[in-house]
Amino acid sequence: QKEVEQNSGPLSVPEGAIASLNCTYSDRGSQSFFWYRQYSGKSPELIMFIYSNGDKEDGRFTAQLNKASQYVSLLIRDSQPSDSATYLCAVNGAGGYNKLIFGAGTRLAVHP
Amino acid sequence: DTAVSQTPKYLVTQMGNDKSIKCEQNLGHDTMYWYKQDSKKFLKIMFSYNNKELIINETVPNRFSPKSPDKAHLNLHINSLELGDSAVYFCASSQDLAGLETQYFGPGTRLLVL
Repeated sequence: QKEVEQNSGPLSVPEGAIASLNCTYSDRGSQSFFWYRQYSGKSPELIMFIYSNGDKEDGRFTAQLNKASQYVSLLIRDSQPSDSATYLCAVNGAGGYNKLIFGAGTRLAVHP
Repeated sequence: DTAVSQTPKYLVTQMGNDKSIKCEQNLGHDTMYWYKQDSKKFLKIMFSYNNKELIINETVPNRFSPKSPDKAHLNLHINSLELGDSAVYFCASSQDLAGLETQYFGPGTRLLVL
């Protein structure tokens, strides 16, 4: 079982719709959860992080965490073509030192 | 001002050669990392350093040798390059070991081994 799993996509949504990206993780000891956006040929950039169960909103982005189900999601409201990118879910790994373990990413395509 | 910079941006070389990638951060961060992103876009940590001290060394072949001359610099030397080393290598830094939410990636070095 992969440590962090994401559907590779592509997830195709029309402009203005809500895009829902999902991620599951295997390590129950993980405490920190991150969403990165990566445009083609560019480096990952952090867009959201969440530590507690529930929802966290920042502009058009909402991260949702359910530790009991080992599930974290990212909602993008009013999707724009500029949101088209690969979204990487990452969790802090187990062990003595923090490190990020990434999923393989979900490619999002927002079409006009 | 570039926060995390890497040189070179592109590297094309023959199998068996030795090459180095340099990374510098001007954020005043204590912790630096090397990641490898393969052709399937899977991003995996290789090494982390905190104040020049090696902290994380994932199961990376010993042909890969990181070196941190000071906390603003982390270089990666690769000996006897193999085809499977072709990937994008990202340097990153964070405020400290616990500050994963401050982690900032460099632009990447695209390595192609022929």
